[in-house]
Amino acid sequence: QQQVKQSPQSLIVQKGGIPIINCAYENTAFDYFPWYQQFPGKSPALLIAIRPDVSEKKEGRFTISFNKSAKQFSLHIMDSQPGDSATYFCAASPNSGYALNFGKGTSLLVTP
Amino acid sequence: GAGVSQSPSNKVTEKGKDVELRCDPISGHTALYWYRQSLGQGLEFLIYFQGNSAPDKSGLPSDRFSAERTGGSVSTLTIQRTQQEDSAVYLCASSGLNSNQPQHFGDGTRLSIL
Repeated sequence: QQQVKQSPQSLIVQKGGIPIINCAYENTAFDYFPWYQQFPGKSPALLIAIRPDVSEKKEGRFTISFNKSAKQFSLHIMDSQPGDSATYFCAASPNSGYALNFGKGTSLLVTP
Repeated sequence: GAGVSQSPSNKVTEKGKDVELRCDPISGHTALYWYRQSLGQGLEFLIYFQGNSAPDKSGLPSDRFSAERTGGSVSTLTIQRTQQEDSAVYLCASSGLNSNQPQHFGDGTRLSIL
């Protein structure tokens, strides 16, 4: 049973565009929502994380928006670059010290 | 400091054989997690150790899978009587005790069952 649903499965944007990746969850016990970035042949690396007490968090060109009532959260990449081409995973857990429930990933391609 | 270390990086074995995968977490991290990533798929939780508590084994797909963590540090994931569907990248992660500590992943073991 997929506890975190992620869309789209793949995404192509031009350099400078703003790709948006969406995730939804059902378990109201989830309290920690990280995003991981994975380049081909590499392990996932934490990109940014949010807790439900805030509706938005920015780190550089990456922004998470969080809608607690809708149980949805999304990742926006501002001024996307070809180097951002990677697979992005959203995840959720009751806390950062618990096992993560991952979405199936979004393969992002940023064209020059 | 050193990150999460996994060995071997690649393992090819015949169907029916047993395999052992090793994870050495970041020093001082109390939590250790095993995940599996099949080709083109997301990360699937397998098992989780937190300090001296009993491990959360709820993600193990069958009784052929087991894991142990010795001395609160190194962990070994064992797969008995391997099947072709066990082929995947097995990822280990560790995190600290503080609730704001993120999970750091190792480079994984790519397991191929012939």
